[in-house]
Amino acid sequence: AQRVTQPEKLLSVFKGAPVELKCNYSYSGSPELFWYVQYSRQRLQLLLRHISRESIKGFTADLNKGETSFHLKKPFAQEEDSAMYYCALSGLLVQGAQKLVFGQGTRLTINP
Amino acid sequence: ETGVTQTPRHLVMGMTNKKSLKCEQHLGHNAMYWYKQSAKKPLELMFVYNFKEQTENNSVPSRFSPECPNSSHLFLHLHTLQPEDSALYLCASSQDVPELFFGSGTQLSVL
Repeated sequence: AQRVTQPEKLLSVFKGAPVELKCNYSYSGSPELFWYVQYSRQRLQLLLRHISRESIKGFTADLNKGETSFHLKKPFAQEEDSAMYYCALSGLLVQGAQKLVFGQGTRLTINP
Repeated sequence: ETGVTQTPRHLVMGMTNKKSLKCEQHLGHNAMYWYKQSAKKPLELMFVYNFKEQTENNSVPSRFSPECPNSSHLFLHLHTLQPEDSALYLCASSQDVPELFFGSGTQLSVL
């Protein structure tokens, strides 16, 4: 079964400090991992995906298959990073549609 | 209007009412989804439609009935709901690539 675990419901760091949001997954096949973000009063939107290996808004995430993790990191947090972050796993492509399974989310607060 | 639009934004209904949630996407996508977001649970996938065909029903109770008349419109018909069904219902769409575009959601309260 597909499962995504985000162990921290809340995370609070100071501006300029490093940030790491943890995500662990359970999946028997070859997974695709994503981070979605929801800023205040905005829609849930894709932040980054592991296959693109890109940095978005200073965030990066590396898929570690040995540890089944996909932690989201940023070296220097900014106040505008305050948001709800969801890790998601897609292990099954159903006729062109995605079966995305989400973690419970981590609310990140950046203190000035 | 562009993107994924959900109506109504808020809905309050009694347990004996029948109501419907509407979702419309203007992105030309072929797949549409219903997700449920409760306060204490992760986002739960409810239904998946691809090219108007339902490809996933994630063990959702029959009091939730989806309808997809075409690739741009998705409905969720609600009947004899329970208070525990109160949640934010999110619609999303996608097109082949693994990125979902979400609507703003309908906040449902069942009294």
